[in-house]
Amino acid sequence: AQSVTQLGSHVSVSEGALVLLRCNYSSSVPPYLFWYVQYPNQGLQLLLKYTSAATLVKGINGFEAEFKKSETSFHLTKPSAHMSDAAEYFCAVSSGGGADGLTFGKGTHLIIQP
Amino acid sequence: DAGVIQSPRHEVTEMGQEVTLRCKPISGHNSLFWYRQTMMRGLELLIYFNNNVPIDDSGMPEDRFSAKMPNASFSTLKIQPSEPRDSAVYFCASSLGSGIAQGELFFGEGSRLTVL
Repeated sequence: AQSVTQLGSHVSVSEGALVLLRCNYSSSVPPYLFWYVQYPNQGLQLLLKYTSAATLVKGINGFEAEFKKSETSFHLTKPSAHMSDAAEYFCAVSSGGGADGLTFGKGTHLIIQP
Repeated sequence: DAGVIQSPRHEVTEMGQEVTLRCKPISGHNSLFWYRQTMMRGLELLIYFNNNVPIDDSGMPEDRFSAKMPNASFSTLKIQPSEPRDSAVYFCASSLGSGIAQGELFFGEGSRLTVL
C-alpha cells in the first residue's frame, strides 16, 4: 500500500520569501515521487519527479524537492516566491513507477502575499 | 502541439439526465486516465486504459458510470442517470510509454459538471 500526506491544506508566504510545501509518503517499496501544480481552472502539470537517481531534484519555475528516505519526505521548495506561483500543489507517489499506481495527496493551496 | 482536449468545459444538467464527457488524448500516447476532483475527496482515479483496453476500473463509483475508448484518439465517460453528488471536475489525462514514464501525466483542462 502507498499513501501521501501533505501537511497544511493552505500555505501563505510573502512575495520573495521561501516556499516550503511538505509531503510525506508511505510505500512498501522504493517509491517514485512527483509534484504536480494546478493553476486556477486548469489541469495538473508536472513540476518535477524523483526516480531514484539524484536525491535533489530540480523542476520547472525554480522549484526543487529533496528525497529523504530516513524521513520518508519529499518536500517542495523555492527560494523566492513569485505572485505567479499561487496555485494548488499536489504530491504523488507511485510504488511501481507506472501511473496505474499513482496516488495523489489532498493538495496544498499556496497563497502569495504581496 | 495540442494537449489533451476535453469537452464540454462546463456542463449543467438536471438529476436523472445522461451526461457524456469526451476526451482526445495527446497523439501517440498509449495510456488514458479519467480522474474526478472534488473538495471533499480530492483527486480520485476512476479508470485507466492502456492501448485502448480498460486496465483498472475499480475507482468507478457505481454502475451509473461507464467509460469507453473506441480508438486511440477518443474516450468518453458517461454518467446515466446523473445525481447531484456527481457534481465535480472530471479530468482526462494521457501518458506515453510504461514504467516511470507513465507517471508523467498530461492533463486536460477538465470538465466541470454541475447536477441540479
